Amino acid sequence: EVQLVESGGGLVQPGGSLRLSCAASGFTFSNYWMSWVRQAPGKGLEWVANIKQDGSQKYYVDSVKGRFTISRDNAKKSLYLQMNSLRAEDTAVYYCATDSGDYYIDQWGQGSLVTVSS
Amino acid sequence: EIVLTQSPGTLSLSPGERATLSCRTGQSVSSSYLAWYQQRPGRPPRLLIYGASRRATGIPDRFSGSGSGTDFTLTISRLEPEDFAVYYCLQFGSSPPEYTFGQGTKLEIK
Repeated sequence: EVQLVESGGGLVQPGGSLRLSCAASGFTFSNYWMSWVRQAPGKGLEWVANIKQDGSQKYYVDSVKGRFTISRDNAKKSLYLQMNSLRAEDTAVYYCATDSGDYYIDQWGQGSLVTVSS
Repeated sequence: EIVLTQSPGTLSLSPGERATLSCRTGQSVSSSYLAWYQQRPGRPPRLLIYGASRRATGIPDRFSGSGSGTDFTLTISRLEPEDFAVYYCLQFGSSPPEYTFGQGTKLEIK
C-alpha cells in the first residue's frame, strides 16, 4: 500500500522559513516524479512544485519561484520542500503527491498545515 | 499560462439525479493530459478519471469522463450521498512539465 506521510508544518512568522518532509513507502520511490500541492483554507488546489526521479529537473509555480526549493533523497525515500521568505498567502495545507508517469497526479498524503502569521 | 475554467461553481442536485460538470481549457490539449479528482471535507483529493475518460482503480462506474480539445466533462450518472463533494480538473502542461488545477465545482445536496 502506498503511503505518503508529511511532517514539518506549523506556525511561522512572515519572512520566516520552514522545511516540509514527506516519507514515502509502499512503492519504488526512486522511479517516480514527485510533487507538492497546496490548498489555502477554504480554497482550491494549487500545484506548487515537482521534481524528477533523479532530482535533475525541478519546476515551480511562479508565486514560489526563488523562495521555495523542492528536493529528494531516494536512499531515504523522502521528499522535501524548503520554504523561505514565507508570506501570509503561503498559509495552506501542503500535500505530498506522486506523479503517475502518465500525466496526472495519483497518490496523495494526508497533508501538513503551514500557517504564516505574526 | 494554462487556464482551466470549471462550471458551474456550485451544483445543487438530489441523490439519484445525474450530475454534469464541465472543465474548459484555454487552448486545445491532448486528452491524455486531463484528469478529475474528488475531494471531501478534511480529506486529500482522490483520483477519479485520468486521460479524460479512464476510470482510476476502484472508482464506481457511475463516474465517467469525456471530451476532447478544449471541453471536458465529468458525469456522475446517479448521485449517491457520498458523491456530494468538491470536484477538480487537472491539466498537465508538457513544456515545462507542470500542472494546473481548475477552481473546482462544489456538488451539494439540494
